[in-house]
Amino acid sequence: GESVGLHLPTLSVQEGDNSIINCAYSNSASDYFIWYKQESGKGPQFIIDIRSNMDKRQGQRVTVLLNKTVKHLSLQIAATQPGDSAVYFCAERRNQGGKLIFGQGTELSVKP
Amino acid sequence: DAGVIQSPRHEVTEMGQEVTLRCKPISGHNSLFWYRQTMMRGLELLIYFNNNVPIDDSGMPEDRFSAKMPNASFSTLKIQPSEPRDSAVYFCASKEGANYGYTFGSGTRLTVV
Repeated sequence: GESVGLHLPTLSVQEGDNSIINCAYSNSASDYFIWYKQESGKGPQFIIDIRSNMDKRQGQRVTVLLNKTVKHLSLQIAATQPGDSAVYFCAERRNQGGKLIFGQGTELSVKP
Repeated sequence: DAGVIQSPRHEVTEMGQEVTLRCKPISGHNSLFWYRQTMMRGLELLIYFNNNVPIDDSGMPEDRFSAKMPNASFSTLKIQPSEPRDSAVYFCASKEGANYGYTFGSGTRLTVV
C-alpha cells in the first residue's frame, strides 16, 4: 500500500530575522543535549551542546536554552541567513555510554 | 582531517541480495554509531561500539542486520537478505572519549528494489 510520509514541522522566516526552534525531550534523566543541522544530502552537523546543569549556552549567532522543569530545549539563531536553511534536530543523551536519541526535526526555511 | 568516511554513497540492490555498508571513523575516536534515517521514523540508532566492542544493539531491526568493528578504523553494517523496507539513508558517526559531540559521515543512500 501507499506509505504516508512524516511531515516535519516547518518554520519559515525572513532573512535577518531571529529564529527559534523548539524541542520537547522525553527523558528527565537525560544529562546532555545537542542541536544538529542537516542540509539536503548531507549528514547531521554539530551546532551547539548543553549539559543538564546549565540553562543557557551561547555560540556564534546561536543560543541554546534548556528548561528541565518542562523538558524543553530551544535553539535561537540570530540574524538568520539563507545558509541556515536546513532541518534542525535536537538530541538527548540518556546514559553515560554516549547513546544519543534524536528528535523528529524541524525544517527551517529562510526567505531572502 | 578527512572526517567520517562512508562507502558507498549510493547503493541500489535487488531484494534478497546481501548489502554491506562501510565506515571509517575519525582517527582517535573510540566510539562508533550506526544510524538509519527515513521520513517515517527519523534518525534511529541501530548499534554503537566503544573501543570496537558492541555496547547496545537494541536498535537493530532484526537478525537480517549485523554489524562488526574488527579494528578501530573500520566498521561494517550488513543486511542479508535485503528487503525494500530497508531502503533508507544509513549514517555512521564517531566520537572521541570524553568529547560528547558526534561527527557524522555523509551517509549511504540504500535503495532495495
